Amino acid sequence: AQTVTQSQPEMSVQEAETVTLSCTYDTSESDYYLFWYKQPPSRQMILVIRQEAYKQQNATENRFSVNFQKAAKSFSLKISDSQLGDAAMYFCAYRSGGGATNKLIFGTGTLLAVQP
Amino acid sequence: SAVISQKPSRDICQRGTSLTIQCQVDSQVTMMFWYRQQPGQSLTLIATANQGSEATYESGFVIDKFPISRPNLTFSTLTVSNMSPEDSSIYLCSAHLSTQNTEAFFGQGTRLTVV
Repeated sequence: AQTVTQSQPEMSVQEAETVTLSCTYDTSESDYYLFWYKQPPSRQMILVIRQEAYKQQNATENRFSVNFQKAAKSFSLKISDSQLGDAAMYFCAYRSGGGATNKLIFGTGTLLAVQP
Repeated sequence: SAVISQKPSRDICQRGTSLTIQCQVDSQVTMMFWYRQQPGQSLTLIATANQGSEATYESGFVIDKFPISRPNLTFSTLTVSNMSPEDSSIYLCSAHLSTQNTEAFFGQGTRLTVV
């Protein structure tokens, strides 16, 4: 079975600085997708960024980028120029690429605080 | 993209009663899911809501406790039956536009407190 591990329960960053959130996963599959979701206090889950396992290039979305190390099964999220609105719980998630199911397996989350 | 409306947004219920949570998507979706998020914890999949057939439940979740309906491609309900304080959680509905679409869209969740 696949597992997702986030070893940082809480992180803090100064506004305008850069922070990296860690995620590791375990799978025997070769085809899969990885995601970072943000959950602010409103509870709404928001997709931040996604990475296809078959792509070597790291995904980037504006101030958000990932460091995808497939051999090491590592998928970290880097937030540049942190803003107060980035404060939220961040979840790393895994999805099999086989198409039989679209269910997501989530890590335990990292609570990010942004200090003004 | 898809917009998911989930209601109620929160409720306080007496133990032993049942609550039905509704999830409405603004477009037809192939797959809908129900997750539970216990206080301070991650999301755990309860079941996949299948249109036209019974839901597929994950280990640890049973139909008698969490009956699910999926009458069409835009709507699903989750019932939390015979509630106890341990059922106090956030329940989230999620959907994918198609099996090929990797992005999952989420409702805003239902915060359930059982007293």
